[in-house]
Amino acid sequence: AQSVTQLDSHVSVSEGTPVLLRCNYSSSYSPSLFWYVQHPNKGLQLLLKYTSAATLVKGINGFEAEFKKSETSFHLTKPSAHMSDAAEYFCVLDGSSNTGKLIFGQGTTLQVKP
Amino acid sequence: ETGVTQTPRHLVMGMTNKKSLKCEQHLGHNAMYWYKQSAKKPLELMFVYSLEERVENNSVPSRFSPECPNSSHLFLHLHTLQPEDSALYLCASSQDFLREQFFGPGTRLTVL
Repeated sequence: AQSVTQLDSHVSVSEGTPVLLRCNYSSSYSPSLFWYVQHPNKGLQLLLKYTSAATLVKGINGFEAEFKKSETSFHLTKPSAHMSDAAEYFCVLDGSSNTGKLIFGQGTTLQVKP
Repeated sequence: ETGVTQTPRHLVMGMTNKKSLKCEQHLGHNAMYWYKQSAKKPLELMFVYSLEERVENNSVPSRFSPECPNSSHLFLHLHTLQPEDSALYLCASSQDFLREQFFGPGTRLTVL
């Protein structure tokens, strides 16, 4: 079965400190994995994607994620949080590439304190 | 206009009304999707269209009726909705099923 688990529903950091948003997945296929961000009252924006190339993936706005098959994880990190990073973040699995069906995690709300 | 646009951005309707949500993508993609985003729940895929043919109907009630007249436009026709249908409805598009999906800003629907 395909599934995505975001381990934290809410993460709070201070501006300028590192960000870590955790995601574990389960897939019987070789997965494609994505991180999307959603700001209030906006649609989802793609941050980065992993599609079986390099395991360390760099995205927009200084975010990156590392695919670890042995740990079935795809955690999102950023060295230094900015106030504008406050949003909802979704880890997404495409476990079967022929259907367009994405599996979304529950989301993690990132709060950035001044 | 660029990307994926959705209209209206906000909609309030009664349970006996009929309304339609519109989505337009300006990316030249050939697949389009409707999602429902409710509070405290993961995004739910509702419908998938590929080359204007519906390829997925994810057990959605018949009070939601999609229409895809061409590869750039997608509609969601609504009738006799229930208050629990209140949610953010997101449209997305992609090139085939092998690429990432691009999302519109959503329509915030409130059913009274």
